Amino acid sequence: AQTVTQSQPEMSVQEAETVTLSCTYDTSENNYYLFWYKQPPSRQMILVIRQEAYKQQNATENRFSVNFQKAAKSFSLKISDSQLGDTAMYFCAFMKRNNFNKFYFGSGTKLNVKP
Amino acid sequence: DGGITQSPKYLFRKEGQNVTLSCEQNLNHDAMYWYRQDPGQGLRLIYYSQIVNDFQKGDIAEGYSVSREKKESFPLTVTSAQKNPTAFYLCASSTQGQGKAGELFFGEGSRLTVL
Repeated sequence: AQTVTQSQPEMSVQEAETVTLSCTYDTSENNYYLFWYKQPPSRQMILVIRQEAYKQQNATENRFSVNFQKAAKSFSLKISDSQLGDTAMYFCAFMKRNNFNKFYFGSGTKLNVKP
Repeated sequence: DGGITQSPKYLFRKEGQNVTLSCEQNLNHDAMYWYRQDPGQGLRLIYYSQIVNDFQKGDIAEGYSVSREKKESFPLTVTSAQKNPTAFYLCASSTQGQGKAGELFFGEGSRLTVL
């Protein structure tokens, strides 16, 4: 079975600073995807960034980047130049390749961006 | 605009009553999902449907039922058999690997409280 662990229930960061959210996972699979989803207060959850396990290069999306360490089964999210709109719950998720119906979500990290 | 609409946003139910949560999408996605979100826990899959007139149990299906009579609609019924129904319910859809594999599109959620 796959498990996803987010060990930081809540974090705070000052506007314009950088913050890193941690995620570890456990799997015996070799081909899979990892995701970070963002759930803003009272708004829809959206995909922030996605990493394919067979790609060694870390994914980036504007101010968001990941540090994917496959051997360590670690998948952290770095948010640069934090903005007030980044305040949200962030969920790390795992999906086996070609099993699009089965996601494993972490318990989430609540990020507060302070002005 | 394309998206997923869940209703109602808030719902109160007396013990012993069934309640149905609505989920409609106009994204033309084949796959639809229901997740349950509890504080301090990740999202847990209740049911999913890959195609009209077909659906599968997820990890916590007991006490819930669904139907998929139309591609656009995937209602969830929380029955009186569900022992702890107070939770936040999220509906999602996906293209099942077409396009950006693993991207779930979420509704805004329905918060159910049992009195």
